[in-house]
Amino acid sequence: DIQLTQSPSFLSASVGDRVTITCRASQGVNNYLAWYQLNPGKAPKLLIYTASTLQSGVPSRFSGSGYGTEFTLTISSLQPEDFATYYCQQLYNYPVTFGQGTKLEIK
Amino acid sequence: QVQLQESGPGLVKPSDTLSLTCAVSGSSISSNNWWGWIRQPPGKGLEWIGYIYYSGSTYYNPSLGSRVSLSVDMSKNQFSLRLTSVTAMDTAVYYCASKRDRERYFDYWGLGILVTVSS
Repeated sequence: DIQLTQSPSFLSASVGDRVTITCRASQGVNNYLAWYQLNPGKAPKLLIYTASTLQSGVPSRFSGSGYGTEFTLTISSLQPEDFATYYCQQLYNYPVTFGQGTKLEIK
Repeated sequence: QVQLQESGPGLVKPSDTLSLTCAVSGSSISSNNWWGWIRQPPGKGLEWIGYIYYSGSTYYNPSLGSRVSLSVDMSKNQFSLRLTSVTAMDTAVYYCASKRDRERYFDYWGLGILVTVSS
């Protein structure tokens, strides 16, 4: 199985900050990497797919980059609604796997 | 826009079978999508369970072995999950989700349903 390791696991930041979350794969996944936002009581939301493509309707302050084994999700200016947990996911090989998550908290 | 809604019992006894259904609206279940399940145990990360195409083709997570099966009911536009011989380790929020054929991500998700395995 391809292991995805996210860092950091917890991130404390303020409204307006720029933050970056990293996802490292145990083997290359081409650009078959997606990012999701999970908020309690809400359906998980797809943010980014194929490493850098912004899903329709997602604010442009979200961006993704990377290829192979290292990927990043960047939020350019944090808004109150962005404090949530973020997961990366690969579907280069089966089984589909997710990172362990990064919880973004208000400082 | 596809909408997904999970339903089923919130409490299942150990060794019993967990059965959940996901109702699909905004799209036909026979469209060019795969219909799947992902779960999140309390305090842990996401685990992919599997997905099914309306034709019956399936992909499952090998970690669940032969305990898992998915099915589609085209007449009701819904799909279902069965997980047999459950233990406390199967306690989780279960999400249904969809992905378009040939795509490598899940673009629509349900709200999730908490299933607790306990006697």
